[in-house]
Amino acid sequence: QKEVEQDPGPLSVPEGAIVSLNCTYSNSAFQYFMWYRQYSRKGPELLMYTYSSGNKEDGRFTAQVDKSSKYISLFIRDSQPSDSATYLCATFSGGGNKLTFGTGTQLKVEL
Amino acid sequence: DTEVTQTPKHLVMGMTNKKSLKCEQHMGHRAMYWYKQKAKKPPELMFVYSYEKLSINESVPSRFSPECPNSSLLNLHLHALQPEDSALYLCASSQERPGNQPQHFGDGTRLSIL
Repeated sequence: QKEVEQDPGPLSVPEGAIVSLNCTYSNSAFQYFMWYRQYSRKGPELLMYTYSSGNKEDGRFTAQVDKSSKYISLFIRDSQPSDSATYLCATFSGGGNKLTFGTGTQLKVEL
Repeated sequence: DTEVTQTPKHLVMGMTNKKSLKCEQHMGHRAMYWYKQKAKKPPELMFVYSYEKLSINESVPSRFSPECPNSSLLNLHLHALQPEDSALYLCASSQERPGNQPQHFGDGTRLSIL
């Protein structure tokens, strides 16, 4: 079983839709969770960084962590074509320096 | 623009060549990382430097040789690479203390081995 599982998509939504991206993880010791956005031919860009359970909001983006079910989510409100990218969830494993990524979900927001 | 700068953006080399990838950050971060990313896959950790010392080597073949000349610079020296080493090589940095700090990535060097 992989430490972090993520549906690879692709996920296609119309402009203005609410997007829900999800990951599950296996180790209840994980406490820090990140979402990265990666455009084609670019490096991953940090979107959200959360600790433990709860919600964190930044503009159109909301990150949610449910430690009881080992489930993390990223919601994008009023999605735009510029949100079209691959979204990677990540957590720290094996100590504070090792990032473990999900496989990434490819999102396409269509006009 | 990212705060982690990588050069060159693209590199094509033969299997017998020697080349180097460079990474620079000016955020005062004391941890720096090399990752390898194949198409449609997540980044895979290769090396971690902490306070300019190599702290993690993820069993990377010796044809990849990292170097950290100072706290702002990270190099990856390449020699006798194989076609399967063609990939996007990403550099990242983070604060070292306290732990579990988010990593910030550059845009990578796209490497093609002929």
